[in-house]
Amino acid sequence: DTGVSQNPRHKITKRGQNVTFRCDPISEHNRLYWYRQTLGQGPEFLTYFQNEAQLEKSRLLSDRFSAERPKGSFSTLEIQRTEQGDSAMYLCASSSATDSFNTEAFFGQGTRLTVV
Amino acid sequence: GQQVMQIPQYQHVQEGEDFTTYCNSSTTLSNIQWYKQRPGGHPVFLIQLVKSGEVKKQKRLTFKFGEAKKNSSLHITATQTTDVGTYFCAVDPLHEMGNQFYFGTGTSLTVIP
Repeated sequence: DTGVSQNPRHKITKRGQNVTFRCDPISEHNRLYWYRQTLGQGPEFLTYFQNEAQLEKSRLLSDRFSAERPKGSFSTLEIQRTEQGDSAMYLCASSSATDSFNTEAFFGQGTRLTVV
Repeated sequence: GQQVMQIPQYQHVQEGEDFTTYCNSSTTLSNIQWYKQRPGGHPVFLIQLVKSGEVKKQKRLTFKFGEAKKNSSLHITATQTTDVGTYFCAVDPLHEMGNQFYFGTGTSLTVIP
């Protein structure tokens, strides 16, 4: 296993189009996180899964964003009707945290989204 | 909502000088992690602190967790050019459901050779 894999690495889309990103976590990791990062800022929490269950979703996340992890392995993040403000790096991370404790999270290389 | 501030936002040091970044949370924390992100790269885990007043060292890096579990610091002794990057703390609030962690604003370190 070579770590967390994200595809595509880059995505350019026209405003109003839908986009979907994929994240393949480290295979034995039960926890998967999505973050968004813009230039000069820290990663902003979007949502996370424990196995296939989506346990938390940021209140800042609009209804245009949806994430799934159907079999508790890979995850997808979809953005509908993209806006220019959605342009950012979308980071996925995974960890083997217990029910009550965080552990080290491993990040993927990210998907850079540009909305034109 | 959870607020995590880091100071300073930017730091330029001469190679060999020391560097410290501070992380301050608006709420009490369960634990805190530190990450390093190189320019163009992704965050890489450095350490996790759990106990009040905990101090951990990794070679030239010293990490501290405050007694009240609301703040933390990262100190680098005798910086090297390989230390260049942005250092983020990531906090897990104590009284919040779930185990998501929130990143601070980051401190960008430049080391001048």
